[in-house]
Amino acid sequence: GIQVEQSPPDLILQEGANSTLRCNFSDSVNNLQWFHQNPWGQLINLFYIPSGTKQNGRLSATTVATERYSLLYISSSQTTDSGVYFCAVGTSVFGNEKLTFGTGTRLTIIP
Amino acid sequence: DGGITQSPKYLFRKEGQNVTLSCEQNLNHDAMYWYRQDPGQGLRLIYYSQIVNDFQKGDIAEGYSVSREKKESFPLTVTSAQKNPTAFYLCAISIGRGTEAFFGQGTRLTVV
Repeated sequence: GIQVEQSPPDLILQEGANSTLRCNFSDSVNNLQWFHQNPWGQLINLFYIPSGTKQNGRLSATTVATERYSLLYISSSQTTDSGVYFCAVGTSVFGNEKLTFGTGTRLTIIP
Repeated sequence: DGGITQSPKYLFRKEGQNVTLSCEQNLNHDAMYWYRQDPGQGLRLIYYSQIVNDFQKGDIAEGYSVSREKKESFPLTVTSAQKNPTAFYLCAISIGRGTEAFFGQGTRLTVV
């Protein structure tokens, strides 16, 4: 099955810093999502981005499907950005309905 | 969220007992999914359903069962055959294959 690798596994930054999180995947995809898991476990949808670039406030994401990677950018970090960020992908293989998750990047923002 | 309700939020059960986790949605989405998350890990698919009265096994279906009698409901039963049931369980919905998925708030199951 498809492999999803996220880097770095852990990231500790001062408030106000910028960060880039990376997601590499091993096959072509028809679905790619970025999630933020808050301390209570809730998965918050950040981007649905199987290709191209999107921006939402301080966050933006780019997926280069031909090179099989996606990047999540967080600018001017705030303490509320802390948590685990997951990349999840779905493939175009018929009958393969699932999202395959990476193991996440744990982001800690220090005041 | 905003239409996906999982209950209860926390659940404690004795080893050997079956337990059923609830997932309800009012967004009229066809597809529903159950995922399991272990500490420090990503999510893994247990079961999914694309339409009423039909469901398919995911990667880790052993020891679990589901039903899809109504479009809005997709309950998950953790049976005594599941060797390590303590985990965080998340239900998700989507319009269909390849479309954006949305997750409920999850149920933390602890088996003692």
